[in-house]
Amino acid sequence: QSALTQPASVSGSPGQSITISCTGTSSDVGGYNFVSWYQQHPGKAPKLMIYDVTNRPSGVSNRFSGSKSGNTASLTISGLQAEDEADYYCSSYTTSSTLYVFGTGTKVTVL
Amino acid sequence: EVQLLESGGGLVQPGGSLRLSCAASGFTFSGYAMSWVRQAPGKGLEWVSSISGSGGTIYYADSVKGRFTISRDNSKNTLYLQMNSLRAEDSAVYYCAKDRIREVTAQFQHWGQGTLVTVSS
Repeated sequence: QSALTQPASVSGSPGQSITISCTGTSSDVGGYNFVSWYQQHPGKAPKLMIYDVTNRPSGVSNRFSGSKSGNTASLTISGLQAEDEADYYCSSYTTSSTLYVFGTGTKVTVL
Repeated sequence: EVQLLESGGGLVQPGGSLRLSCAASGFTFSGYAMSWVRQAPGKGLEWVSSISGSGGTIYYADSVKGRFTISRDNSKNTLYLQMNSLRAEDSAVYYCAKDRIREVTAQFQHWGQGTLVTVSS
């Protein structure tokens, strides 16, 4: 099972909105709503930002939102802030023999 | 406050074995599925294995199936990963991660700080 495809990098200025895509197939992203997103700062453990495609855990800023269309899930960060600079990973359930797969990761840079 | 503390990492020769532990606190351990996720240096995240809250349902990534064994002791609030026949490509930081519910969804709401495993001669 190959990793889900994400852009290597996305950048934006403070206050702007950016969107990170996560492309899979009908066997994973497109077929199920078990898509989650994680933020990881250098040297730190990942943090859950979105689960079940659109849901935010308690304590996560409402500037983060998730969506899905077909085989592509997306994470949108609105009102970009310096603290949002980090790596972001998507994840999904998959019907392949490896049941869960992460995306390739996206480095977000705040200009 | 949820706390997950991994231990047991270190340097091991190819073909060797290692047992990782994850001590959990701050929540009802048996009420949540638990998993191991790894990250090779400078690389992305890779799901390794998951176990339901009761221990009755277990899943493995293809890359570790037959070599790694996940288990849990709910009386000790501890998660384990027995790693055998280790290979250089198993070198990574291994994270213990808590699921959102008792059954495995592999959507990890809490993570430990990780323990480094290096497989090298």
